Amino acid sequence: ELKVEQNPLFLSMQEGKNYTIYCNYSTTSDRLYWYRQDPGKSLESLFVLLSNGAVKQEGRLMASLDTKARLSTLHITAAVHDLSATYFCAVDIGSVFAGGTSYGKLTFGQGTILTVHP
Amino acid sequence: DGGITQSPKYLFRKEGQNVTLSCEQNLNHDAMYWYRQDPGQGLRLIYYSQIVNDFQKGDIAEGYSVSREKKESFPLTVTSAQKNPTAFYLCASRPFLDRNSNQPQHFGDGTRLSIL
Repeated sequence: ELKVEQNPLFLSMQEGKNYTIYCNYSTTSDRLYWYRQDPGKSLESLFVLLSNGAVKQEGRLMASLDTKARLSTLHITAAVHDLSATYFCAVDIGSVFAGGTSYGKLTFGQGTILTVHP
Repeated sequence: DGGITQSPKYLFRKEGQNVTLSCEQNLNHDAMYWYRQDPGQGLRLIYYSQIVNDFQKGDIAEGYSVSREKKESFPLTVTSAQKNPTAFYLCASRPFLDRNSNQPQHFGDGTRLSIL
């Protein structure tokens, strides 16, 4: 059974500081996704990581994937209040069937609640 | 604009009642998914469908049922057998036929279900 664990679960940061959220998973996979969720809202896709060593950056956020270590990181640079949200990683290990392997069945981490203070 | 529409936004269920949550997408996506989110937790997969007239159980299917009669629609019924239905329900979709697609799942705005 695939397990996806994020840490920390709660993160309180000061504006301008840097920090990293970690996502560990238990079964080999080369497909990992990061999502953002604002309170009471839906999920917004941030990054899609599809191979070992993949690195994606958007603004103050940078995500990376190490498939050998089964680890993804989401690094926050010079945090600002607008980044306050819950961040989820999700892993897709694929489903094998007669015609090959299909993807799309995601297993999510517990989420990291990020609060950025002035 | 293309997207996923979930309705209603809020829903209340009485004891012993079945309720149906609607999910409609106009993205021409083949695959659709239903997730449940409890406070302070991640999303758990209830059911998914990769093609019309076919669907599979996810990790927590007990007490739920679905149908997929049309490509754009994937309604979820929360039956009276689901004893703890209070949660936030999210519907998602994704292209399927392109098996190597790197597209993420797109999510609707969710339905919040509570017990009366």
